Amino acid sequence: GAVVSQHPSRVICKSGTSVKIECRSLDFQATTMFWYRQFPKQSLMLMATSNEGSKATYEQGVEKDKFLINHASLTLSTLTVTSAHPEDSSFYICSARMGGPMNYGYTFGSGTRLTVV
Amino acid sequence: EDQVTQSPEALRLQEGESSSLNCSYTVSGLRGLFWYRQDPGKGPEFLFTLYSAGEEKEKERLKATLTKKESFLHITAPKPEDSATYLCAVQADQAGTALIFGKGTTLSVSS
Repeated sequence: GAVVSQHPSRVICKSGTSVKIECRSLDFQATTMFWYRQFPKQSLMLMATSNEGSKATYEQGVEKDKFLINHASLTLSTLTVTSAHPEDSSFYICSARMGGPMNYGYTFGSGTRLTVV
Repeated sequence: EDQVTQSPEALRLQEGESSSLNCSYTVSGLRGLFWYRQDPGKGPEFLFTLYSAGEEKEKERLKATLTKKESFLHITAPKPEDSATYLCAVQADQAGTALIFGKGTTLSVSS
């Protein structure tokens, strides 16, 4: 089945530094990748949508200069949290979409727990 | 505004005690309704996709159904390993290709 690999699974960084999270589709080409953020006991909140080779589309309220998304190939998307602060601590999850019009399966990565100290 | 509401927020069952989780949705045009299971500290794991009212899908102890306003996830004779958070999500016409998630139902099954 479709597998999405997300790394790292956990990261602790100092306030003011940047952190990069990778999301790879291992056995399929992902035309679209999504980045979500999840706070404890809350739902997944969409941050941005990215299509290979084009700029990401950010949801309202998400700072695009702070959360840099790169989707350089059909199998890799990265999220960089720049100048991280404690309020950026959260669980970040990527998702990749595959298939044609009627087979738009969505596969999720295992998530990255970011803690900013 | 597209919206997904799940109930109850939390559900405690005894092993073998069947029940149902509800997902009601308000969307401009439903392209698909998805059920996922999420374990603590993990990403969502795909369970089902439903596309049209009247559709049903089953997998082991789980059965998902869909009407024009809501979906149910029926759990028959649950086991402790079914304990998890169950997420419902929709893909709507106005949302492009992104999924809109509900807050989930956290299920605890005790032996």
